[in-house]
Amino acid sequence: SQQGEEDPQALSIQEGENATMNCSYKTSINNLQWYRQNSGRGLVHLILIRSNEREKHSGRLRVTLDTSKKSSSLLITASRAADTASYFCATTRGSTLGRLYFGRGTQLTVWP
Amino acid sequence: EPEVTQTPSHQVTQMGQEVILRCVPISNHLYFYWYRQILGQKVEFLVSFYNNEISEKSEIFDDQFSVERPDGSNFTLKIRSTKLEDSAMYFCASSSLTPGELFFGEGSRLTVL
Repeated sequence: SQQGEEDPQALSIQEGENATMNCSYKTSINNLQWYRQNSGRGLVHLILIRSNEREKHSGRLRVTLDTSKKSSSLLITASRAADTASYFCATTRGSTLGRLYFGRGTQLTVWP
Repeated sequence: EPEVTQTPSHQVTQMGQEVILRCVPISNHLYFYWYRQILGQKVEFLVSFYNNEISEKSEIFDDQFSVERPDGSNFTLKIRSTKLEDSAMYFCASSSLTPGELFFGEGSRLTVL
């Protein structure tokens, strides 16, 4: 399977703390993306990192990619209660036209 | 900000009935997708559509499913004869390039009784 697998499955932290979520995958990828989903809502794209990139930042988000270990991490710094959501990694491979392979996600809860 | 819109937000249907889920992708996007998420499970790819034809489909997308872009704005998913296991949240998405960022709608929750 090429699907990403996130860990932990659930993460509970206090506001102001950093949240780190990990994702592993099994095959070569074109890029890896992180999405966020609030309960019962649609998926919102957070960040895309290409296979030739190692790190990317966007606001309070930092994503790393280690293609040798087939893994990625998403770091949310100075978390807020509004960051409470499920976070999914999704991979693409070069031969497919935008097909995303999603992991099971990490449920992040940030307590005020 | 442009967004993908989906209707209906929730549909309840009897097993064996036909269902059509509608989507309006972002206007200048060229690639369109349907994904589904069964409660508590992963988001799963169903089909991608480009240049008025299916570009890829998953093993889930069997003969009961079809997609259509009947005009310049709508993108529909039809399930011909619904089964209990079709109960899920169905997400439409679009993108301007591939592989790249997908813009998802809020989803249509389908409940098959």
